[in-house]
Amino acid sequence: NAGVTQTPKFRVLKTGQSMTLLCAQDMNHEYMYWYRQDPGMGLRLIHYSVGEGTTAKGEVPDGYNVSRLKKQNFLLGLESAAPSQTSVYFCASFSAQRLANEQYFGPGTRLTVT
Amino acid sequence: AQKITQTQPGMFVQEKEAVTLDCTYDTSDPSYGLFWYKQPSSGEMIFLIYQGSYDQQNATEGRYSLNFQKARKSANLVISASQLGDSAMYFCAMREAGGTSYGKLTFGQGTILTVHP
Repeated sequence: NAGVTQTPKFRVLKTGQSMTLLCAQDMNHEYMYWYRQDPGMGLRLIHYSVGEGTTAKGEVPDGYNVSRLKKQNFLLGLESAAPSQTSVYFCASFSAQRLANEQYFGPGTRLTVT
Repeated sequence: AQKITQTQPGMFVQEKEAVTLDCTYDTSDPSYGLFWYKQPSSGEMIFLIYQGSYDQQNATEGRYSLNFQKARKSANLVISASQLGDSAMYFCAMREAGGTSYGKLTFGQGTILTVHP
């Protein structure tokens, strides 16, 4: 099993450019999440999804959009990138059957906006 | 208000010694879970240990144990017999069981642990 995969691993954007980060999981998990990690800030939730076709805002949603057209995929879009969106982005998935279940994280995408 | 607080930005420990990483949390949900993740310099998030709010005993996983003090709302991670490979960032996180939590994790800012030979 691949677990959670993220594409791309690294990206450099110019201010105002757009891009989409792809997250895929092969564990049939219902819930999926996008986090960003900034130095000294820990991980903060951007958006999440509790099932195919549903998405919701997290703690820091501004400047991002998401879609979950298929259960296994969760896309994070930046329509007009800003330097403040320079960060490491993690996708995670979770099976909601038990509170104790861990969230499985992808390897991360390092995004730099110049 | 911060839900998860890790007050130690950095910690140092000698190889083979034990170290405690602090974590305090804040929630009004009676059912919740506490997690510790390790993030080495390579960047991936590695799950270490879980403690449920109703668990009577402290969780243990190999060299990792969680010192859970519910009344104090603390969930400290204890690493015994530290190894050089334990050098990493460590995150404490909480999951509330309330109806709108949807499994979301709230993370602390992390503690960088450095193990000296």
